[in-house]
Amino acid sequence: TQLLEQSPQFLSIQEGENLTVYCNSSSVFSSLQWYRQEPGEGPVLLVTVVTGGEVKKLKRLTFQFGDARKDSSLHITAAQPGDTGLYLCAGNRAGSYQLTFGKGTKLSVIP
Amino acid sequence: DVKVTQSSRYLVKRTGEKVFLECVQDMDHENMFWYRQDPGLGLRLIYFSYDVKMKEKGDIPEGYSVSREKKERFSLILESASTNQTSMYLCASSPGTGLRDEQFFGPGTRLTVL
Repeated sequence: TQLLEQSPQFLSIQEGENLTVYCNSSSVFSSLQWYRQEPGEGPVLLVTVVTGGEVKKLKRLTFQFGDARKDSSLHITAAQPGDTGLYLCAGNRAGSYQLTFGKGTKLSVIP
Repeated sequence: DVKVTQSSRYLVKRTGEKVFLECVQDMDHENMFWYRQDPGLGLRLIYFSYDVKMKEKGDIPEGYSVSREKKERFSLILESASTNQTSMYLCASSPGTGLRDEQFFGPGTRLTVL
């Protein structure tokens, strides 16, 4: 059972455009993390959101955790080629050390 | 900064060989994890450990075993490698604090079994 659905799976945009990536579930998570992974490398943690409704900003990246802690979004403003990569969301379920991962959104930003 | 290192970036083995993948973390983290990542399937948990000498099966433990003799080191063992174990293997560690237990990943080992 895929507990975290990410959309879109693939996204190809021009430099300077804005985009939003979604991470949805029917399950409640105690926290949710976003990672970026470049080809041939391990995922790198970008942010963790914990509180329902929480918004965090990391330069041009804005992360939001849904009020019910079941979903999250990542918005990138004025995308740059350096943003290219696989974006993964992952959720912590209460009482578990394990993370549930989405399958990822592969972003290509064309110069 | 948390540092998770893996013993090899690339590895080529033959069917039937015993394969050891090693992972070391330097942040005194309680938990360590082994995943494999395949196109279209995402990250799948093989095994994890929440303490020295403790291990628990993940979603796909068949064909794998693990060893955690020291807190900082977690080894993945393929007893008899098969071609369907060709994959990217990722090790991760986390503090074990519960509510926001962020995982930090190593660079990965790309294993090819011929």
